[in-house]
Amino acid sequence: EAQVTQNPRYLITVTGKKLTVTCSQNMNHEYMSWYRQDPGLGLRQIYYSMNVEVTDKGDVPEGYKVSRKEKRNFPLILESPSPNQTSLYFCASRTSGRHNEQFFGPGTRLTVL
Amino acid sequence: TQLLEQSPQFLSIQEGENLTVYCNSSSVFSSLQWYRQEPGEGPVLLVTVVTGGEVKKLKRLTFQFGDARKDSSLHITAAQPGDTGLYLCAGVRDSGTYKYIFGTGTRLKVLA
Repeated sequence: EAQVTQNPRYLITVTGKKLTVTCSQNMNHEYMSWYRQDPGLGLRQIYYSMNVEVTDKGDVPEGYKVSRKEKRNFPLILESPSPNQTSLYFCASRTSGRHNEQFFGPGTRLTVL
Repeated sequence: TQLLEQSPQFLSIQEGENLTVYCNSSSVFSSLQWYRQEPGEGPVLLVTVVTGGEVKKLKRLTFQFGDARKDSSLHITAAQPGDTGLYLCAGVRDSGTYKYIFGTGTRLKVLA
């Protein structure tokens, strides 16, 4: 089944404790992206990747890192999480055509205490 | 800076009514997508409009892209409880950077 998977689905952590949210897709998509969703603010793009070893900042990249060493994986790293990073995070992927459909993962709900 | 404004934010209507959701911006987009999101899930694409003035229909849903490619609308005819969900518009910027801008969303509830 074609899908985007994220792990973990739920995470409660404390300020400053490094964490990684994994994202994997099995559709051989070139483009992958991370978003955060907050009430009243909608989905905001954190980082995106056009292909392996090619990443770029979205609109809210501060406090986050990403890497794209393999085509299928695009982990989101929070080196020193803070409470303002409490949010619902989505990973998405699509083929390289700009107008193509993005396929979203199920989301990761992160709480930073 | 939020570049895509959606209205209304919330909408509660009776089954069988019609409704329109608007997505407006001062920026030009190379294309605009509409997604629907159910609780506990990621957004799912409904349609992509690319050409200014383009109209697309998906059963009871009609999508229109503004002539200047700055705005879009979603019209639902004879809404049903199964239409309940969060509707999101997303613009692909015309700058070649492949960034997406999402609207704040319209939460629709259709009562039986």
